[in-house]
Formats: sequence, structure tokens, C-alpha cells
Amino acid sequence: QKEVEQNSGPLSVPEGAIASLNCTYSDRGSQSFFWYRQYSGKSPELIMSIYSNGDKEDGRFTAQLNKASQYVSLLIRDSQPSDSATYLCAVRTSGTYKYIFGTGTRLKVLA
Amino acid sequence: EAQVTQNPRYLITVTGKKLTVTCSQNMNHEYMSWYRQDPGLGLRQIYYSMNVEVTDKGDVPEGYKVSRKEKRNFPLILESPSPNQTSLYFCASSPTGTSGRNEQFFGPGTRLTVL
Repeated sequence: QKEVEQNSGPLSVPEGAIASLNCTYSDRGSQSFFWYRQYSGKSPELIMSIYSNGDKEDGRFTAQLNKASQYVSLLIRDSQPSDSATYLCAVRTSGTYKYIFGTGTRLKVLA
Repeated sequence: EAQVTQNPRYLITVTGKKLTVTCSQNMNHEYMSWYRQDPGLGLRQIYYSMNVEVTDKGDVPEGYKVSRKEKRNFPLILESPSPNQTSLYFCASSPTGTSGRNEQFFGPGTRLTVL
């Protein structure tokens, strides 16, 4: 069974700090990785996608991918109370168009 | 406006009464998918479709059917709903393309309760 693991949290950070969210995956051949944000009762919203090793930055968000260690992370700089949500890590499994989601990490940014 | 729409948004039904949840996208995406979301279990993929008339099972397909007769529509059918299918359902779509970019966009969700 291919898996995506995330710490459920909550992860609490003060406003203005860096929030670091981590995700590990079991399918070594996976090629596509995604971070979604989900507010309570709402649908997941894509934040970042990453396809190759290294860092990818978009505004306050940086995704990091390390395929050798099978982990992907999301850094949120200058965290704001509006960033408080559940963050879902998703992986497209190798050789297919099936997606596996982690159960999400709940982030709380304290004002 | 580019979007994925689902109907109905809320549905309460009884065991065994067939129902269909519709999903439509206006982005000309090849790929469409259905997920269910349950507390503690996260999002789990039910079925997906790579294009018209091409569908495949996700991780939890039991008790569900899908069809893809048109590119824009991907309905989810529960022939005989049971209480364990009470859940929050999301439809999603994405391009597939040779670029490899396949970010999914999600619909607003359908909250289904089976009594």
C-alpha cells in the first residue's frame, strides 16, 4: 500500500514566524508532488507543485523536494493568522494517474 | 470563470436509494477524479478518468460507479448507498498534457448523509 505520511499537528507558530510542514512518501518512483491548503468546510486549494529535487519558491511559500530521502516539505515565511488551515500533501504515484493524499497537518498561526 | 461545479452540495438520503452526484468543469481538462474525505482518513481517491470513455479505479472504488461520456462531465453514481458512504465528496480536474503538469482543481464538495 503506497502511503503519504504527515504529522497531524496542530503546529502552532507565532505570527511572523516560519512554519515548516513535512511529508514523507513510500513510492520511490513518484514524480509529482503537491501541497494543498484546506480551510474547515472548504475544498482543497493548490498552493504549490514540485516535480524535481530542490527548492521552489512562490511568494511566501517554498516547497522542498528530496527524492532520495522521499520527503517533501513546505515552508511558509512571515506566517499570518489567515494561514491557519490544514495543509495536505499529495503525491501522484509512479506509472499511474492515481493520487495519494496525506491526512494533513493543522497549522495554527497565533496573533 | 474557470471552475469545477458539483451538485447537489448537500444530500440526505436513505439506504438503498440510488443517487447521482454531478461534476462539471469548464477548463477543457482531460483528467477528472472523485475523492471522499473522512475524519482521520484524509482524502481518498474513488475513481479517475484520463479522458472520455477512459476510467480507472482509485483506492476506494467499492460501491461507486462513474461514467465519462463527455469531456466536461464526470458523474458519481451510488447504486445502493449505505451508511458507510456518508462522507464529504470532492470532484477535481486537471490537464494531463505532455508538460507533466497536472495540478488538480477541486469542486466545492458534496456532503452526503446516508441514513
